[in-house]
Amino acid sequence: GAVVSQHPSRVICKSGTSVKIECRSLDFQATTMFWYRQFPKQSLMLMATSNEGSKATYEQGVEKDKFLINHASLTLSTLTVTSAHPEDSSFYICSARDYRVETQYFGPGTRLLVL
Amino acid sequence: GIQVEQSPPDLILQEGANSTLRCNFSDSVNNLQWFHQNPWGQLINLFYIPSGTKQNGRLSATTVATERYSLLYISSSQTTDSGVYFCAGRRDSTLGRLYFGRGTQLTVWP
Repeated sequence: GAVVSQHPSRVICKSGTSVKIECRSLDFQATTMFWYRQFPKQSLMLMATSNEGSKATYEQGVEKDKFLINHASLTLSTLTVTSAHPEDSSFYICSARDYRVETQYFGPGTRLLVL
Repeated sequence: GIQVEQSPPDLILQEGANSTLRCNFSDSVNNLQWFHQNPWGQLINLFYIPSGTKQNGRLSATTVATERYSLLYISSSQTTDSGVYFCAGRRDSTLGRLYFGRGTQLTVWP
């Protein structure tokens, strides 16, 4: 199956700093990528949908100025958590849609801990 | 949006047992996937099954699109099957988002 990588796998940062998470589709082109957030023992919550070369579409309640998404190429999307605070600590997961087979593939996730 | 109900929320089995997980959708979907989230958080694609039945080893899935539900069967369960199983559906086949259920937490004991 298709492979989606995410980097870093975990990050610990101080409150007020910004953190960038990269999501790459390794063996297919992804015109659409998705960013999710997951709290312990809960389902995935969609944060935003990004399309290559255009602005991301954010879900209701997600601050676009806090969670900056850039989808600069068909294989790379980045999520930047700006001025992170402890309540931003979570598990962030990206996925990429392989339009050839209409299937979404997920990255391994990034565990963010803000102290 | 589409509401997705998964049952049961928790399932505890002994190794070797069979199980059936269910997923109900509040509206029609034409794209349905089952995932397994392992203890490290990685979501693994199990099936893309908008309709019909598919089998992959000890796992099989059936979707009855007209009745808006899907079933995941796990036979001869193993401890490595433990984790959370999610179903998710999408309404259209273009750029629509996936709607996830809350998952079924499966624990398989040796």
